[in-house]
Parts: sequence; C-alpha cells; structure tokens
Amino acid sequence: KQEVTQIPAALSVPEGENLVLNCSFTDSAIYNLQWFRQDPGKGLTSLLLIQSSQREQTSGRLNASLDKSSGRSTLYIAASQPGDSATYLCAVPGPGSSNTGKLIFGQGTTLQVKP
Amino acid sequence: DAGITQSPRHKVTETGTPVTLRCHQTENHRYMYWYRQDPGHGLRLIHYSYGVKDTDKGEVSDGYSVSRSKTEDFLLTLESATSSQTSVYFCAIRDPTSGGETQYFGPGTRLLVL
Repeated sequence: KQEVTQIPAALSVPEGENLVLNCSFTDSAIYNLQWFRQDPGKGLTSLLLIQSSQREQTSGRLNASLDKSSGRSTLYIAASQPGDSATYLCAVPGPGSSNTGKLIFGQGTTLQVKP
Repeated sequence: DAGITQSPRHKVTETGTPVTLRCHQTENHRYMYWYRQDPGHGLRLIHYSYGVKDTDKGEVSDGYSVSRSKTEDFLLTLESATSSQTSVYFCAIRDPTSGGETQYFGPGTRLLVL
C-alpha cells in the first residue's frame, strides 16, 4: 500500500531563507508526483508536477526534484517570502490510477515565513 | 483559476439527515473527484467520475454516494449523515487530454454534523 509522508509537519523560517520541504513515498512505481499549496480555508493549488522521467521541475522560485529509486521528492523554495506561508502537500498516483488520476496525499508541511 | 464552484460552502446538519454537496465546473473536464480533508488523515479520495454516469469508489466511500448526470455537475450525497462525516470536502477536476495530470481543486465545503 502506497504511503506518503511529509516531514516536518511544520516549519518556521525568517524571510529570505532558502528552504527544503521533504516528501517520501513507499512504492517507487509512480509515474509522476505533484506538489500543491493550500492557503488557510482554501482549496489546493497545483504548483509543480514531475513526470517519472524527469528529475527536476522549476517554476519561479520553486524547484521540485524526484528520486524514484529512493522514494523521495523535495520542494526547494528560494528566498522565502511571507506570502509563501501556507501548507504544502505532495501527492502520488494511487494503485490502478494510470487512467483514473486517483491521488494519495501526504499530510503536508505547514510553512510560516516570518517578516 | 479553473472554473470550479462548490455549494454550499458551509453547512451544519443533524445526525441522520441526508446531505447533498454540489460541484460545478465550467471547464468541460472529463474527470471529477470528491475528497475529504481531516486533521491527521490529510486528503482522502471518496469517489470519482470518469464521465457522465460513470463513477467509481475511492479510499473512503462508505456512507457516501455520487451522481453525475451532466459533464459539469458532480453530486456527493451523504444518505444519513454521521458525526464522523464532519469534514471539509473538496471537489477536483482533471482532463488528461488538455491539462495533463494536474488536478484543479474547488474552494471546499465545510460540513458539521451535530
């Protein structure tokens, strides 16, 4: 059974720091991995999707990496800003999901960036 | 933002009453999903749909039913609400032919079952 873990559950950093959020998964037979952002009381917003054939994906100050063999992904945020404060979730396809798009989510890392 | 709306946004109901949540999309996406989000459990898939009248169960489907009579609408029904169904419910959509594997989420419905 696929399990997704995100550590730490919460993180507080001063503005301007570079930081790394971690996501690990138990079954390496995935074909992609997604990172989402969730603001308090809001829905999820897709940040990055990495295909299994890729090792990295970048969008602005965000860089996501994927290492299937070790069952890990990281989300790197450069020069953090208070507006980056949110919960970040990673998700991988569930079993039998090649057509259905069923996702299994980690519980998220709640990030606070202090001015 | 993807055109996804959920209604109602907030609801308080009593144990044993039926409840229907609505997800409406304007994107004409084929796939639609219902998730629930709970502290300590994260997001879990309840049901999903891969076309009009085509639905299937997710991870936590007991106590829930769904219907999709039109591409744009996906309804989630709690036949007889229980306190364990107090949660935040999210709808999501996906169209692999145009949007790839990315899922787009609605704003959520907060349901409190007393």
